[in-house]
Amino acid sequence: GAVVSQHPSWVICKSGTSVKIECRSLDFQATTMFWYRQFPKQSLMLMATSNEGSKATYEQGVEKDKFLINHASLTLSTLTVTSAHPEDSSFYICSASAGEETDTQYFGPGTRLTVL
Amino acid sequence: GQNIDQPTEMTATEGAIVQINCTYQTSGFNGLFWYQQHAGEAPTFLSYNVLDGLEEKGRFSSFLSRSKGYSYLLLKELQMKDSASYLCAVSDRDYKLSFGAGTTVTVRA
Repeated sequence: GAVVSQHPSWVICKSGTSVKIECRSLDFQATTMFWYRQFPKQSLMLMATSNEGSKATYEQGVEKDKFLINHASLTLSTLTVTSAHPEDSSFYICSASAGEETDTQYFGPGTRLTVL
Repeated sequence: GQNIDQPTEMTATEGAIVQINCTYQTSGFNGLFWYQQHAGEAPTFLSYNVLDGLEEKGRFSSFLSRSKGYSYLLLKELQMKDSASYLCAVSDRDYKLSFGAGTTVTVRA
């Protein structure tokens, strides 16, 4: 149980284009989903927290107009990187928790984004 | 801000025991997690401690002392597949996870 999928697993795009990443909880309903970014040999940094049906809460320093998050259902959240630039190249990982915020977060397999 | 410290690297021999320490200073505390992360993959859940003491789960055990802001992950009977990065993460008063930089464990034959 507690399987989270992400799609795509990797993507290469040109500078200025937008990229959408999907995160799905496959066998449970995720009240809360989280989006992280990880640069090489660094730790995971929380970007935003999203609850189904409400606006995402962004961490300080994360541009909400650049990283659009939609949590339309209890099993799907999407992250759209708008007008991507090379510095946005990173490993994007989502996680989902089933109930209370104290619940364990289960991570998706990650999406490696490379912006040329 | 949050401050979570763990060693950068550790090396051990197959079959041995390794202990990874983690110290933390956070705004509130709602539990401490340990995750395993292989290169290029997402973290997988290993353990969760919210009360003081030792939690044992097979070859892996995790210990917590809230008064000392300290935890450790103990890996016994090391196997080659245990070579990975081990992440200490603390849930703060807002239930957000803050991660340490990770400890890369290398298991040698």
